[in-house]
Amino acid sequence: AQKITQTQPGMFVQEKEAVTLDCTYDTSDQSYGLFWYKQPSSGEMIFLIYQGSYDEQNATEGRYSLNFQKARKSANLVISASQLGDSAMYFCAMREGVGTGGFKTIFGAGTRLFVKA
Amino acid sequence: SQTIHQWPATLVQPVGSPLSLECTVEGTSNPNLYWYRQAAGRGLQLLFYSVGIGQISSEVPQNLSASRPQDRQFILSSKKLLLSDSGFYLCAWSRAGGNYEQYFGPGTRLTVT
Repeated sequence: AQKITQTQPGMFVQEKEAVTLDCTYDTSDQSYGLFWYKQPSSGEMIFLIYQGSYDEQNATEGRYSLNFQKARKSANLVISASQLGDSAMYFCAMREGVGTGGFKTIFGAGTRLFVKA
Repeated sequence: SQTIHQWPATLVQPVGSPLSLECTVEGTSNPNLYWYRQAAGRGLQLLFYSVGIGQISSEVPQNLSASRPQDRQFILSSKKLLLSDSGFYLCAWSRAGGNYEQYFGPGTRLTVT
């Protein structure tokens, strides 16, 4: 069964520093997608970044990058130059069977990030 | 551009009462649609997804149901709410196919008393 593990319930980072949020996953599928979402206190879920299992390059989107280590089944999110507005809950998610139209996405328990001024 | 709407934003309902939450998407055609529930301080649990009108797949057996009467409309219902139905309900859409990110609505906070 597919599983997403986020082992850091809470993280603190100083403004302007980089931070890594951990995510490990478990799947027997060869074709899958990994996603990170941000959830501010308002509750909305905001898509940040995507990594496909066959992508050889690590995904990057502005200050966000995904450190994809396939053999270790990890997909850590790196936020560079943290800003106060980055304080939020962050969820790692995985969808299996992306090549065959798989739809079920499972989410980790989340990591709450606090950015200190 | 695409937008997704959910209403109501908050809802307080007594146990045993019915429920209807509505979600609509604008600016896209034939989207995949999803209903999630998030318990306080927890991750998201997929409840239902739909790949087309009238096509609903249920992930969690419970007293909730979903319907898709129109291409861009997704409705979550219950005939009789339970206390355990309290939570934050999120609707999401993605482009048809497998490896596309999901875009979420603003959510409905449901409290069953």
